[in-house]
Amino acid sequence: QVQLVDSGGGLVKPGGSLRLSCVASGFTVSDYYMSWVRQAPGKGLQWVSYISDSGSTIEYADSVRGRFTISRDSTKNSLFLQMNSLSAGDTALYYCTRGHWALNVWGQGAMVTVSS
Amino acid sequence: DIVMTQSPDSLAVSLGERVTINCKSSQSVLHSSDNKNYLAWYHQRPGQPPNLLIYWASTRESGVPDRFIGSGSGTDFTLTISRLQAEDVAVYYCQQYSSTPYTFGQGTKLEIK
Repeated sequence: QVQLVDSGGGLVKPGGSLRLSCVASGFTVSDYYMSWVRQAPGKGLQWVSYISDSGSTIEYADSVRGRFTISRDSTKNSLFLQMNSLSAGDTALYYCTRGHWALNVWGQGAMVTVSS
Repeated sequence: DIVMTQSPDSLAVSLGERVTINCKSSQSVLHSSDNKNYLAWYHQRPGQPPNLLIYWASTRESGVPDRFIGSGSGTDFTLTISRLQAEDVAVYYCQQYSSTPYTFGQGTKLEIK
């Protein structure tokens, strides 16, 4: 069964850091482009970042570039999002997704709340 | 950035009726290199992650019922649900993947009348 399980969310103070993880099952992460998409409470969807199947191409939204880092570990069949210098505007449900164009598999999301 | 604008923001339709949701992009998402429109549609049921319905503007994802129909080209796109079913209650989003940052429409909330 093709599945993504997100974890690592939580409450963090402004300026803090958090690392999100996403474990894939039913497919191999390194065979696909993978992305992160976020959704602020009660709001719409915002693309955050993607990493290519080869790992050689990575892109970020302007709002997170320089603060967030996407990566993956083939041995763990996992995708990660390291988030630094967090601010209230980063409060959102973060979804791990398969693909970078049409996103055809989504995790349940990891909630990140940035608040003092 | 390409801005995606959906209309209407919300609508209520009777079961079995036809639903039309529109999506307009601020720039064309049609690539001349492959003559494809880089546009997808998703729906998001309450408390659930989004679910891919349509890609390349008109290609149904595997397992998506044929009552979901995507159409349009260039900057103007439409998602049609031919006969509304109760399980179609959701927020619908269009998304362009023509150029980064990939952007979504603001969403259209569909309810049963």
